[in-house]
Amino acid sequence: KAGVTQTPRYLIKTRGQQVTLSCSPISGHRSVSWYQQTPGQGLQFLFEYFSETQRNKGNFPGRFSGRQFSNSRSEMNVSTLELGDSALYLCASGLAGVYGELFFGEGSRLTVL
Amino acid sequence: QQQVKQSPQSLIVQKGGISIINCAYENTAFDYFPWYQQFPGKGPALLIAIRPDVSEKKEGRFTISFNKSAKQFSLHIMDSQPGDSATYFCAAAGYNQGGKLIFGQGTELSVKP
Repeated sequence: KAGVTQTPRYLIKTRGQQVTLSCSPISGHRSVSWYQQTPGQGLQFLFEYFSETQRNKGNFPGRFSGRQFSNSRSEMNVSTLELGDSALYLCASGLAGVYGELFFGEGSRLTVL
Repeated sequence: QQQVKQSPQSLIVQKGGISIINCAYENTAFDYFPWYQQFPGKGPALLIAIRPDVSEKKEGRFTISFNKSAKQFSLHIMDSQPGDSATYFCAAAGYNQGGKLIFGQGTELSVKP
């Protein structure tokens, strides 16, 4: 069974630009969550999507948004990039009705210059 | 009240020794406590998890001890091996929180041969 796939793995952007990251969950998983990982703040929850609806949201500004498609694939978008948005963005999928048991992808490493 | 505090930040253990990582939480609504293991360049992977109705759970060399009254839980790695060298994160989740995990800050474990 294929794991969680994230693309792109690495990307470099400049301040003010926007970026879209993609995530394909494990087959059969309908929940997709996004996390930001930085050395200073650790792993922080961004949002979760389930059946194309945002089910939970973390404490991030509105520049961070996401969506989920009918095939459970998800994208997250960050607009008006800031230097502090440099981070590893992790996507995780999970089974419906099972909370806390997440399967993470390898992440998308975003560098903002 | 949403925080999970983890210690130590880093840990060096000799091969064959016991590694112990501690976590404390405040929110009594949490009812699922997983530990994740992360190797460099990889996403976190679920290692072992416990619910508050039991005080201990063991899987191979890995044991979680849970103290509900103290709101603390810990990971014990018996017979630590160099291959266990990784960053370990404790986390907490609530029943209605879906894919939202609150992570500790992480412990970088180094097992010396």
